Amino acid sequence: DVKVTQSSRYLVKRTGEKVFLECVQDMDHENMFWYRQDPGLGLRLIYFSYDVKMKEKGDIPEGYSVSREKKERFSLILESASTNQTSMYLCASSLQRDAGAFFGQGTRLTVV
Amino acid sequence: AQSVTQPDIHITVSEGASLELRCNYSYGATPYLFWYVQSPGQGLQLLLKYFSGDTLVQGIKGFEAEFKRSQSSFNLRKPSVHWSDAAEYFCAVEGYSSASKIIFGSGTRLSIRP
Repeated sequence: DVKVTQSSRYLVKRTGEKVFLECVQDMDHENMFWYRQDPGLGLRLIYFSYDVKMKEKGDIPEGYSVSREKKERFSLILESASTNQTSMYLCASSLQRDAGAFFGQGTRLTVV
Repeated sequence: AQSVTQPDIHITVSEGASLELRCNYSYGATPYLFWYVQSPGQGLQLLLKYFSGDTLVQGIKGFEAEFKRSQSSFNLRKPSVHWSDAAEYFCAVEGYSSASKIIFGSGTRLSIRP
């Protein structure tokens, strides 16, 4: 089975901190995605990557950056955390267009 | 603009009753179409997908979905729901190009009445 692992289930960080959310997949997938999920808004795409060292902005990239140095790892970085970045963050990966995406368990981030 | 609309925020059905969750999309051409389910506190799991061929597709857990090009719809159905089906359901679309992103609807929360 494909496994997408997010390093933390729950995180509490202070305003202004630099935050790293890590995601690792074990099935050699080309594509990786970071979403945030908020009640009533569904999943909104922050960034995605379709190859190592490649990244594309999603719908809400402001305040975030990403890193993909290795195929299996896709990191989301909050340069200076703010309270409006309190959310559930979901990482996903996919092999090809028609295969659908596999999701991690999510990281619930609280910024205080 | 590309978008996915799930008009029902919350639906409650009785156990054993039939279910239909609505999904409409706006896209330049017929995209790949997906339904995902999210149980409380969990990530999303793929239920089924459509990209060509038979417009009625079968998925896991007894779910099916029908693609209707004329209505730009991809509604999810189940003939008889079980209490374990209580979850949030998301419709999603993805384009054909190599750099296409997956776009999700806002979700429909399903509650099951005993």
